[in-house]
Amino acid sequence: AQTVTQSQPEMSVQEAETVTLSCTYDTSESDYYLFWYKQPPSRQMILVIRQEAYKQQNATENRFSVNFQKAAKSFSLKISDSQLGDAAMYFCAYKGGAAGNKLTFGGGTRVLVKP
Amino acid sequence: AAGVIQSPRHLIKEKRETATLKCYPIPRHDTVYWYQQGPGQDPQFLISFYEKMQSDKGSIPDRFSAQQFSDYHSELNMSSLELGDSALYFCASSLGATGQNEQFFGPGTRLTVL
Repeated sequence: AQTVTQSQPEMSVQEAETVTLSCTYDTSESDYYLFWYKQPPSRQMILVIRQEAYKQQNATENRFSVNFQKAAKSFSLKISDSQLGDAAMYFCAYKGGAAGNKLTFGGGTRVLVKP
Repeated sequence: AAGVIQSPRHLIKEKRETATLKCYPIPRHDTVYWYQQGPGQDPQFLISFYEKMQSDKGSIPDRFSAQQFSDYHSELNMSSLELGDSALYFCASSLGATGQNEQFFGPGTRLTVL
C-alpha cells in the first residue's frame, strides 16, 4: 500500500518570506499523481498544486511551486512571498494512475504566518 | 461554477442512532469518493463509486454502507453510531475514474455523536 509522510507537524514563516514543506511517499507504481491540498480553518479542502509523475518539470502555480524528486520519492512544496491567508493545514496526497484510485494523504503540516 | 454539495452540513446524533449523509457531485461528474477526517487527523478514504458501481473500498466499517444513484448523487448510511464516528465527512467528485482526473471536494458534513 502507498504511504505518504509529512515529517513537519508545524512550520512558522514571517509574512513575505518563503517556507518549504516536506513530503515523502512510498509506492511501487510508475504512473501516479501527487497533490498539495490546503485546509484553512473553514475545513474546506482546496487543491493548491498537482504534479504528474511522468512530467520532469516541476509544477508551479503563482507563489506555489514544488520540487519533485521521483527517484528519491520526495515532493516538497515551496510557498513564496507568504501571506496571512496562507495560514492553514497543508496535506500532501498521492493518487495512483489506475482507474478509481483514491487519494492517500500525509499527516499534514500546519503553517503559521507571522505578520 | 457549480461545486460539490453536501447535506446536511452539520448533524448531531446519539449513540446507536443512524445517520444519512448526502452528496451531490458537480454536474457531469460520474465518480464520487467519500473520506472521513477525525479531529486532528488527515482524511481517510472510505469508498468510491464510478457510474453507480462501487469502484474502490477503504477503511469503511461494516456499519456503514453507501450507494450512488441514477442521477449520480451518493448517500452514505451510517448505523449503530459510535462516539468514534464523530468526524468531518467529505465527498469529492471527478469526471471519469482515471488517475489523472482531479477530485473536487465538497464542504464536508460535520457529524457529532453524543
